[in-house]
Amino acid sequence: DAGVIQSPRHEVTEMGQEVTLRCKPISGHNSLFWYRQTMMRGLELLIYFNNNVPIDDSGMPEDRFSAKMPNASFSTLKIQPSEPRDSAVYFCASTETGFTEAFFGQGTRLTVV
Amino acid sequence: AQSVTQLGSHVSVSEGALVLLRCNYSSSVPPYLFWYVQYPNQGLQLLLKYTTGATLVKGINGFEAEFKKSETSFHLTKPSAHMSDAAEYFCAVSFGGYQKVTFGIGTKLQVIP
Repeated sequence: DAGVIQSPRHEVTEMGQEVTLRCKPISGHNSLFWYRQTMMRGLELLIYFNNNVPIDDSGMPEDRFSAKMPNASFSTLKIQPSEPRDSAVYFCASTETGFTEAFFGQGTRLTVV
Repeated sequence: AQSVTQLGSHVSVSEGALVLLRCNYSSSVPPYLFWYVQYPNQGLQLLLKYTTGATLVKGINGFEAEFKKSETSFHLTKPSAHMSDAAEYFCAVSFGGYQKVTFGIGTKLQVIP
């Protein structure tokens, strides 16, 4: 398996623009997580899906952020409109039933200028 | 609520010296505990995990950790540091049956030649 695949690896956008980050979890995994990593706040859980259903979105910072999982093999995290303070590395991770560990993608480094 | 505290955001050791990275957690129910490692510009990779059973767990790259319930600790150790161990290390906790994982702030390990 190729592991968790995220795209793009790097994204530079202007303030106010819409940004969409993409994630393909490991085949057969039924849970998917979106994390944001910054120097100041470390690794924060934004949202967690189980069987394509959002279970916990309490970490989503505000209404500008939204996430979807239309099927078991694809998820998106959208920021609209983007702001400079959204600049961070965004990670996607997936786990299988009977969770024992999360497998992480390589991350998307987002820079909003 | 579950939480994780990593003592020391930066740790420096000499090559060949003992590595000790500290992690304490708060939990009212038995936790699952993890240590992840992150190399520059990479995602997080699992080093080791404790779920049930033996409290001393061995992981990859010669690392091990011991779950001490009385101390609510899960410190990571390695007898002899290598230059390749320089990375950021994250302690994480979750509870069996609920897959949300909470990460510590991370500890950057520097290995001095």
